[in-house]
Amino acid sequence: TQLLEQSPQFLSIQEGENLTVYCNSSSVFSSLQWYRQEPGEGPVLLVTVVTGGEVKKLKRLTFQFGDARKDSSLHITAAQPGDTGLYLCAGAEEYGNKLVFGAGTILRVKS
Amino acid sequence: SAVISQKPSRDICQRGTSLTIQCQVDSQVTMMFWYRQQPGQSLTLIATANQGSEATYESGFVIDKFPISRPNLTFSTLTVSNMSPEDSSIYLCSVYGIYGYTFGSGTRLTVV
Repeated sequence: TQLLEQSPQFLSIQEGENLTVYCNSSSVFSSLQWYRQEPGEGPVLLVTVVTGGEVKKLKRLTFQFGDARKDSSLHITAAQPGDTGLYLCAGAEEYGNKLVFGAGTILRVKS
Repeated sequence: SAVISQKPSRDICQRGTSLTIQCQVDSQVTMMFWYRQQPGQSLTLIATANQGSEATYESGFVIDKFPISRPNLTFSTLTVSNMSPEDSSIYLCSVYGIYGYTFGSGTRLTVV
């Protein structure tokens, strides 16, 4: 069974600070995805990474996929209150197949 | 991305009863999945809904408790049977198609 360990579980920071969320596994994934979810809504896809060593940037968010495709990180620069939410990483052994989710990181950015 | 209509969005049910949740997609999709999520927590896959055949269940989930139908490429249902308070959760439909993975907004179920 593939498992994704996500950390930290909770993060409460001040506006303007930087943060990094990690996702690690002993298994290799063909793709890894990051989602953000707000209360009462389903997860919304932020990015998909598929190539080992890949780095993608989405405004203030930077995503990395490990060289061995077993780990990933999400870095947010200058966090804003609007970044508050539940962040989830999810991996697929084969793209298009079922996703395995990490435990999630609840982020709260205080103004 | 694909647009998913999931109904009902929430319900309060009596223990011992059953609730059927519907998932309708606006385009044909390859894969459909059902997840369970406790508020503030991550998603746990219940099963993969297979068109025209029995769903593929994950460990800890059984067909008698969570019967699933998928009669075509755009529609699926999940039934939560003989409910108990422990079934109170958010149930989410997810699909995979040409736009990648998409999630419905979920059904918040409370069993009393």
